[in-house]
Amino acid sequence: GAVVSQHPSRVICKSGTSVKIECRSLDFQATTMFWYRQFPKKSLMLMATSNEGSKATYEQGVEKDKFLINHASLTLSTLTVTSAHPEDSSFYICSARDGGSDNQPQHFGFGTRLSIL
Amino acid sequence: GQNIDQPTEMTATEGAIVQINCTYQTSGFNGLFWYQQHAGEAPTFLSYNVLDGLEEKGRFSSFLSRSKGYSYLLLKELQMKDSASYLCAVLDSNYQLIWGAGTKLIIKP
Repeated sequence: GAVVSQHPSRVICKSGTSVKIECRSLDFQATTMFWYRQFPKKSLMLMATSNEGSKATYEQGVEKDKFLINHASLTLSTLTVTSAHPEDSSFYICSARDGGSDNQPQHFGFGTRLSIL
Repeated sequence: GQNIDQPTEMTATEGAIVQINCTYQTSGFNGLFWYQQHAGEAPTFLSYNVLDGLEEKGRFSSFLSRSKGYSYLLLKELQMKDSASYLCAVLDSNYQLIWGAGTKLIIKP
């Protein structure tokens, strides 16, 4: 149980392109989803917390207009990297919490490796 | 500030036992998680401790001492597939998950 699907797994695109990443909880409802970014050999960096039906909460230093998050249903959250540039190249990972309690574990999608040329 | 410390890298031999330590200083505590992350992949959940003591789950066990701000992950009968990074994460008083930088575990035959 507790499977999270993330799509696409890899994107290579030109600078200036907008890229949408989808995160779905397949067998549970996720009121809260999280978006992380990870640089090579570094730990996860939380970008934003996505709550179904409301605006995402962004971490300090993360540009809201750059990284658009939509959590339209209990099973789907999307992250759109707008006008992507080479410095946006990274490994992006979503996670979803199974259950309404804050101490439930986060279950992660497989990640999206974004490469901007 | 909030801080989680774990060793950067450890090496162990196939079939042996290894203990990965994690110490934390956070604003409040609502539990500690261990995750496994293979290179290029997303983390997978291993364990959750909120009370003091040892939680055993197959070859993996996790220990917590809240008074010492300390946890460890114990891996027994090591297999080559256990080569991965192990991430310690603490839920603070606001239920925010604070992540350690991870411990890269290298298993040698």
